Formats: sequence, structure tokens, C-alpha cells
Amino acid sequence: QKEVEQDPGPLSVPEGAIVSLNCTYSNSAFQYFMWYRQYSRKGPELLMYTYSSGNKEDGRFTAQVDKSSKYISLFIRDSQPSDSATYLCAMTAGNNRKLIWGLGTSLAVNP
Amino acid sequence: EAQVTQNPRYLITVTGKKLTVTCSQNMNHEYMSWYRQDPGLGLRQIYYSMNVEVTDKGDVPEGYKVSRKEKRNFPLILESPSPNQTSLYFCASRDLGNSPLHFGNGTRLTVT
Repeated sequence: QKEVEQDPGPLSVPEGAIVSLNCTYSNSAFQYFMWYRQYSRKGPELLMYTYSSGNKEDGRFTAQVDKSSKYISLFIRDSQPSDSATYLCAMTAGNNRKLIWGLGTSLAVNP
Repeated sequence: EAQVTQNPRYLITVTGKKLTVTCSQNMNHEYMSWYRQDPGLGLRQIYYSMNVEVTDKGDVPEGYKVSRKEKRNFPLILESPSPNQTSLYFCASRDLGNSPLHFGNGTRLTVT
């Protein structure tokens, strides 16, 4: 079993939809959780960064961490065609320990 | 502008011909790392460096070398490339501690 599981999709939604992207993990030591967005032919760019459990909001994006269920989510409200990308989750126990990546979910937002 | 710069962006080579992919960052980051990204396998770490003259193997180091002689540069060397090293390569950097990674825009390598 992988340490981090992420459904690769692809996920296709109409413009304006609410998108929910998820990762599950097995290592209870993980404390730092990240979502990266990767456009085609580009490097991953940090979208959201959260520590421990709870929610964090940034514009149309909300990151949620449920450590009791070992489950993290990224919600995108009012999705736009420009949100079409691959979304990667990543997590670590911190203190310079290894960053563990999900495989990424491919999202297409259709006008 | 804060960035990680990789060169070249695209490279086609033949088996056995030594090549170097350069990586430079202008954020004064101590930590630098190389990843390869393959369909169905995701991002896998090749090597990383926590400071000048300090390098360590990642998950898939076989067939690769790195050096860290200066803080800003972290070249990836393939001394004898093989077709199974055809991949998309990313360099990344960050501060030490719990800072997030900053990525370059990738180098697409094809080995024939």
C-alpha cells in the first residue's frame, strides 16, 4: 500500500462547478500538507500549505485536513477553465523529513 | 524574480552520451533536489542536497550523479544515459525546515 493515495482521474467538470480533490494517507506522523498545481509543460507550483488539522482558505481554494481520518481535501469553488491542470498532494512529518507525493489528479474544467 | 532555472528545457540524446542538466536558484535556499516524473509513477526523488558539498540519494539514484559546489547550483549528470532514463526532470529548492518546495519548469529528456 502506498503511503499516499490519490485518484488520478481524469476529472471533468463544467465551468462554475465546485471541485473536490482528495488524498488519503497511512502515516500518522505527517503534519505538513501541501497542494501543488501543475499545468502542462510546467513545474508544480504551490497552491496551499497547511499544518496539522483544520481548514485554510485562499480565494476560491479551501484546503481541509482531517488527521483522524488521514484524509486531506482541496475544494475549488466557481471553477474556471484556467483551473484545468494536474493537482498533486504532498505531505511530510516535518523537520526536513522526506516529502511524500500523491500521483496527481488531472482536472479539466469545460467552458 | 525568485525562481529555479533549469536548462535545457528539451534534450534528445543517444544511449551512452554523457549529459548534464543544469539547475540554478536565486532564493539562497540551502536545500535542493532533483525529481523525475513519469506517467503512473508520479514524482520520484533522485538526489537531494541540504547544503554545499552535502548530497544524498533519493529513491531512484541509479544512473545519476549530482554535485553541489555552490549554494545556487545543483547540476544533474547522466554519465551513460539509457532509454529508461527518458523522463521529465524537475529541479526544486527550499529553505531548510518545513518550507515548501519551489520547482523549475522541467527538462524533457529523450534517450534513444
